Amino acid sequence: DMVMTQTPLSLSVTPGQPASISCKSSQSLLHGDGKTYMYWYLQKPGQSPQLLIYEVSNRFSGVPDRFSGSGSGTDFTLKISRVEAEDVGVYYCMQGIHLPPPTFGQGTKLEIK
Amino acid sequence: EVQLLESGGGLVQPGGSLRLSCAASGFTFSNYAMTWVRQAPGKGLEWVSAIGGTAGDTYYADSVKGRFTISRDNSKNTLYLQMNSLRSEDTAIYYCAKTTSGCCRFDYWGQGSLVTVSS
Repeated sequence: DMVMTQTPLSLSVTPGQPASISCKSSQSLLHGDGKTYMYWYLQKPGQSPQLLIYEVSNRFSGVPDRFSGSGSGTDFTLKISRVEAEDVGVYYCMQGIHLPPPTFGQGTKLEIK
Repeated sequence: EVQLLESGGGLVQPGGSLRLSCAASGFTFSNYAMTWVRQAPGKGLEWVSAIGGTAGDTYYADSVKGRFTISRDNSKNTLYLQMNSLRSEDTAIYYCAKTTSGCCRFDYWGQGSLVTVSS
């Protein structure tokens, strides 16, 4: 199975400060159709996961624009420009090209200082 | 409003069976693939199984292949996961997810159903 490696596994951020999470895949996520099948999900405490970003950089409906995704090939980043208290939770990257199965990263826990 | 409501979880002995259901509303169910993802206690997310909109295509993780069966009833807007020969390592919260654009854009998730396999 494709391995997705997230760093850091945890981070503590002061409200209003930026945060960044890296995700590296063991193989390129670029498909022959030109799309890169990389996703970011957030699981807030006690809740189901929710989609944040699809195909590297597209924010899902209702996701604040302080969230942005970037990257290509095997290296990807989720950035939060100004962290808010409601952003706490575990962030997961996921690949959707080398199937089955789609594979998730280990998760990155974001806490507020 | 899209809603997904799982049911059918509970406590089962090793080797036992359980069927999860996921009732969908707020979208044209038959037009979308559906996926099951699970989360063991204190652990990360694991993709389990997926099914195409017309139920012609089904996919399974190696860890459940031959034991779990995914199905859907488009007339009832309901997704199912039949789980047989359950093991302790199947203990998890099972989420159903509406799936857009092929495989992996899980744009809406249910609240989850807890399955506990223990004697």
